[in-house]
Amino acid sequence: DADVTQTPRNRITKTGKRIMLECSQTKGHDRMYWYRQDPGLGLRLIYYSFDVKDINKGEISDGYSVSRQAQAKFSLSLESAIPNQTALYFCATSENMNTEAFFGQGTRLTVV
Amino acid sequence: QKEVEQDPGPLSVPEGAIVSLNCTYSNSAFQYFMWYRQYSRKGPELLMYTYSSGNKEDGRFTAQVDKSSKYISLFIRDSQPSDSATYLCAMHGSSASKIIFGSGTRLSIRP
Repeated sequence: DADVTQTPRNRITKTGKRIMLECSQTKGHDRMYWYRQDPGLGLRLIYYSFDVKDINKGEISDGYSVSRQAQAKFSLSLESAIPNQTALYFCATSENMNTEAFFGQGTRLTVV
Repeated sequence: QKEVEQDPGPLSVPEGAIVSLNCTYSNSAFQYFMWYRQYSRKGPELLMYTYSSGNKEDGRFTAQVDKSSKYISLFIRDSQPSDSATYLCAMHGSSASKIIFGSGTRLSIRP
């Protein structure tokens, strides 16, 4: 089983719909992250969480919200999806800043 | 100006060639430098992790950091078709709470 599991792997949704992307990890790490990846822009941080009670905005948090349900679970929501949120979304976890970040396989989201 | 600049490629080289991948950055506070490899339809995986200036070697891979020039490199010797992937540089400072990624360079090794 993968250390970081994202669901769904692919999703097509309509403009204005609410959608949730889920992430769970078995590494036992406190830190979890949500990134989006766009061609030519690399990975950009949406939200990050250092523990269940500590959630922080990243560089592109507008239009997104997150929930840290447990140490192992971190979900990302798009309250009202828009086409420019079409991207590849990655969840990641790390023990601390100076150790390896483990990424999930990604969720390809298309907003039509 | 982006904090981290990376040529997106694509870069195509024949099998066995030496590959050089590079990033430049603007923030002198960056002290930790990483290279991630991302295969198609997969998440990034850590390849190399270095601290401050200098070289680090791991098998066919060498990571080089020149803080005076704000320039980092990844060299791949005896490149193999299995090295075909997107390579992302990443970095952060000692007190930073987040990692800054480059946009990635797409590499293709021709058999």
